[in-house]
Amino acid sequence: RKEVEQDPGPFNVPEGATVAFNCTYSNSASQSFFWYRQDCRKEPKLLMSVYSSGNEDGRFTAQLNRASQYISLLIRDSKLSDSATYLCVVKQASGGSYIPTFGRGTSLIVHP
Amino acid sequence: NAGVTQTPKFRILKIGQSMTLQCTQDMNHNYMYWYRQDPGMGLKLIYYSVGAGITDKGEVPNGYNVSRSTTEDFPLRLELAAPSQTSVYFCASSYSGQGANSPLHFGNGTRLTVT
Repeated sequence: RKEVEQDPGPFNVPEGATVAFNCTYSNSASQSFFWYRQDCRKEPKLLMSVYSSGNEDGRFTAQLNRASQYISLLIRDSKLSDSATYLCVVKQASGGSYIPTFGRGTSLIVHP
Repeated sequence: NAGVTQTPKFRILKIGQSMTLQCTQDMNHNYMYWYRQDPGMGLKLIYYSVGAGITDKGEVPNGYNVSRSTTEDFPLRLELAAPSQTSVYFCASSYSGQGANSPLHFGNGTRLTVT
């Protein structure tokens, strides 16, 4: 079983739609969680950190479920510019440091 | 404020050649990482460093070497290039002060082709 798993998609949605992605992780000792956005042939950029109580940033909401070992990203009122790959990142403690592990990403295509 | 800078942006190597991918950051981050990303795949950790003089292997270290003589620089060395090393390489850094909560900051990437 992979450490961090995501449905690769693509998720093909119309403008204005609400779409949600999940990411599951296998290590119950995972410490912190992030969502990154990656545009084609570009570097990943931080979208948001994911906190235990859940957090929101404009149209984006992130949730963490430690009991079931998954995090989620909800995008409301999708825009064409939201089209990208969304990467889930999980940091796990290892010998006193924290090692980030990436999921393979979920592709989102927002069409007119 | 440059952030994380990688050079070169593109490179074509012949099988068996060697090269060094450069990475430097000006944010005084202790942690630095090298990832590779193959088409349609996630990022895989090659090597990481928690501070100057300290490096450790990640998930896919074979065929690569690193050094960390300063806080700012974390070069990645390919000694005998192979076609399997054709990939996009990303360097990243993070601040150790927030522990696990510090996000990664990425360079623009190096696109390497080995033929």
